[in-house]
Amino acid sequence: DTAVSQTPKYLVTQMGNDKSIKCEQNLGHDTMYWYKQDSKKFLKIMFSYNNKELIINETVPNRFSPKSPDKAHLNLHINSLELGDSAVYFCASSHRSGANVLTFGAGSRLTVL
Amino acid sequence: SQQGEEDPQALSIQEGENATMNCSYKTSINNLQWYRQNSGRGLVHLILIRSNEREKHSGRLRVTLDTSKKSSSLLITASRAADTASYFCATDAPNAGKSTFGDGTTLTVKP
Repeated sequence: DTAVSQTPKYLVTQMGNDKSIKCEQNLGHDTMYWYKQDSKKFLKIMFSYNNKELIINETVPNRFSPKSPDKAHLNLHINSLELGDSAVYFCASSHRSGANVLTFGAGSRLTVL
Repeated sequence: SQQGEEDPQALSIQEGENATMNCSYKTSINNLQWYRQNSGRGLVHLILIRSNEREKHSGRLRVTLDTSKKSSSLLITASRAADTASYFCATDAPNAGKSTFGDGTTLTVKP
């Protein structure tokens, strides 16, 4: 019944590795997002996709590559992980981009050692 | 920088008291939303107020919006220990295609 589900919930890895986080929503929403929350709880948008098309890319390093195989899925792949990538990554979805209520996943805590 | 700034950063009250937190933002908006985040969880939407609205209620929540001052407040009345969480405002600017979050207020309600 989970509306927005993301996996894994926890990820611990070494610097330089590549990792992926998956997200799926069963709400029928058109738009999906990735947000990053740092250790001070600042929440910043990274990407948004509308019907599989990239709408927003907030000057995120190109080591981060989102992929949306269909409008219900938005995955995040990160290459060459750095210490500063340690954060909680939240997937969210909404009916349409912009002025709409976001439904968030539970978050994926990434720790880079 | 973040669109919204919230104050206080942290608030500690006794159960039964009211909690007020404020959000200021910088640009014009279509809507302003408030979200709650319990420790270790995702954000949950609480309430949305449109730019042409001044006040909105939902249960024990009361939100005000003053677009001339570019500010909003969230009042939680008769607080409960279960209200302990971080609260974030989020603004939806025209044609931005995204919600921009404030810094958050951490509320602790002591039983």
